[in-house]
Amino acid sequence: AQSVAQPEDQVNVAEGNPLTVKCTYSVSGNPYLFWYVQYPNRGLQFLLKYITGDNLVKGSYGFEAEFNKSQTSFHLKKPSALVSDSALYFCAVRDGAAGNKLTFGGGTRVLVKP
Amino acid sequence: ETGVTQSPTHLIKTRGQQVTLRCSSQSGHNTVSWYQQALGQGPQFIFQYYREEENGRGNFPPRFSGLQFPNYSSELNVNALELDDSALYLCASSFPSGPVETQYFGPGTRLLVL
Repeated sequence: AQSVAQPEDQVNVAEGNPLTVKCTYSVSGNPYLFWYVQYPNRGLQFLLKYITGDNLVKGSYGFEAEFNKSQTSFHLKKPSALVSDSALYFCAVRDGAAGNKLTFGGGTRVLVKP
Repeated sequence: ETGVTQSPTHLIKTRGQQVTLRCSSQSGHNTVSWYQQALGQGPQFIFQYYREEENGRGNFPPRFSGLQFPNYSSELNVNALELDDSALYLCASSFPSGPVETQYFGPGTRLLVL
């Protein structure tokens, strides 16, 4: 069975500082990894995905993520956080051997302080 | 905007009742998935439809059922509502775009069961 863990319930960062949101995964086949962001009372917005190839994936709004196969991690990063980045972030995995179902982590709340 | 719309935005039902939630996606999005997001948790996969046929189901009982229509709309039906069915229900659609499709989410329907 596939699973995703987001070890931090909340991440606090000052505006302008680097932001990292951690994610580790477990799958039986090839991992296809996603990051989504959710603002209050909104659905999920797609940020980026890893399929294969370059371990550094660039996405929307200045976010990027680093895939590390040996550590089974897919951490989300932003070099300089904005107050408007404050939201709930979800990591998700699709197991290449298990159809199109996404399995989500529990989410990490990011609070960027001015 | 993802082009995925859901209705209604909010709904209140009582235990034992039945509910139908609706989703409309963009032309060409021939795959639709439904997720349940309980408060403070990540989304949980309910089921997926491809070209009007169910082609994957999560760990949800048969009282959760769905339909997908040729006009790229879909429905989630829940019978015999229970208090634990209170959640945000998310619809996500995708279109053929390479080896791994991206799912685009609607804003969700918040269901409260009393």
